Amino acid sequence: NAGVTQTPKFQVLKTGQSMTLQCAQDMNHEYMSWYRQDPGMGLRLIHYSVGAGITDQGEVPNGYNVSRSTTEDFPLRLLSAAPSQTSVYFCASRTGYSTDTQYFGPGTRLTVL
Amino acid sequence: GENVEQHPSTLSVQEGDSAVIKCTYSDSASNYFPWYKQELGKRPQLIIDIRSNVGEKKDQRIAVTLNKTAKHFSLHITETQPEDSAVYFCAACSDGNKLVFGAGTILRVKS
Repeated sequence: NAGVTQTPKFQVLKTGQSMTLQCAQDMNHEYMSWYRQDPGMGLRLIHYSVGAGITDQGEVPNGYNVSRSTTEDFPLRLLSAAPSQTSVYFCASRTGYSTDTQYFGPGTRLTVL
Repeated sequence: GENVEQHPSTLSVQEGDSAVIKCTYSDSASNYFPWYKQELGKRPQLIIDIRSNVGEKKDQRIAVTLNKTAKHFSLHITETQPEDSAVYFCAACSDGNKLVFGAGTILRVKS
């Protein structure tokens, strides 16, 4: 199993550009989520999904969209990038049980100029 | 919603000493408390977790304790080694679906 994969690993955008961060998992996990990591602020939940066709907002959803058309994929879209969205983005997945281990992808480092 | 506070933000210990990191949470309904270790440039990885029906759990040099009444939980690392140097995050699962993280503790083990 590849586990949780993310692409790209690095990305530089200009203010106002849009892009999609890709996330996929091959563990048949129902639950997937996106976090952003900023220095001194830990990991903050952006959006999450409990299954295909179902998504919900986390702590910091503004400026981001998600969709979940398949169990495997959970892309994160930046609609109009802003410098405040410069961060490291992690995708994660687990089974449908809230007490099961959550596995993280390798992360995407995004810089918005 | 859930709020998790973590202390200290940085911790330096001598190799062989113990390290303790403490977290408090606000939602009494939270029932799952994992700890993650993140090395520089890497993804967070689970090192130990505890569920709300257990007071203590140990795995070799690592242990976690949970006090539901006081709403706090702690990570204990004994006989620290240089490879324990990393950032450690606590988290609490609230609403059954949201894993809320603390701000992290930078642990430095000096040899």
